Amino acid sequence: ETGVTQTPRHLVMGMTNKKSLKCEQHLGHNAMYWYKQSAKKPLELMFVYSLEERVENNSVPSRFSPECPNSSHLFLHLHTLQPEDSALYLCASSQYETDTQYFGPGTRLTVL
Amino acid sequence: GENVEQHPSTLSVQEGDSAVIKCTYSDSASNYFPWYKQELGKGPQLIIDIRSNVGEKKDQRIAVTLNKTAKHFSLHITETQPEDSAVYFCAAGRTGNQFYFGTGTSLTVIP
Repeated sequence: ETGVTQTPRHLVMGMTNKKSLKCEQHLGHNAMYWYKQSAKKPLELMFVYSLEERVENNSVPSRFSPECPNSSHLFLHLHTLQPEDSALYLCASSQYETDTQYFGPGTRLTVL
Repeated sequence: GENVEQHPSTLSVQEGDSAVIKCTYSDSASNYFPWYKQELGKGPQLIIDIRSNVGEKKDQRIAVTLNKTAKHFSLHITETQPEDSAVYFCAAGRTGNQFYFGTGTSLTVIP
């Protein structure tokens, strides 16, 4: 595994639940990312944080709310999700925004 | 933005044969092209990358070639082994911007 960890690895939630995904990187990087991976679709970039500031938000619905308290931790807060939000959510980090990204193992999310 | 197309979507080869996966991109300003391997239950892992000032890069059994004029780049795996079975993703991007990923190629190496 890389130096990027994600918890939980699997999550099942109802549409009215509130949950959070956590990502931690142990690589000393200063940029972190959230991606959504759905079957037979390209990886979709959701959010980018560089030096703990959000620099990219690709028109993601407000039911997804990111938080980056420091350069090592990244959260994705989930609220009132839809079944079509079921996917693998991947976290990645890099030394700079443009440098090679290293991925975590992902959280498999199922919304009932 | 960038548009990355990847072919084929599935590929089966006999152990020991070579495998080639091809990607095309649309933004001529893209200058960084990584390849990732994703095994079942894991996140994508970088296996090789190439920058636009280089035409070819090799790392043991894996090589990547880049044709900037035609805007395509390819991954070549020689002497394939069963452990090479995975989904492979290409990506393209440029300095200061996000990377765009292909849709992936599921490679199966048949023993």
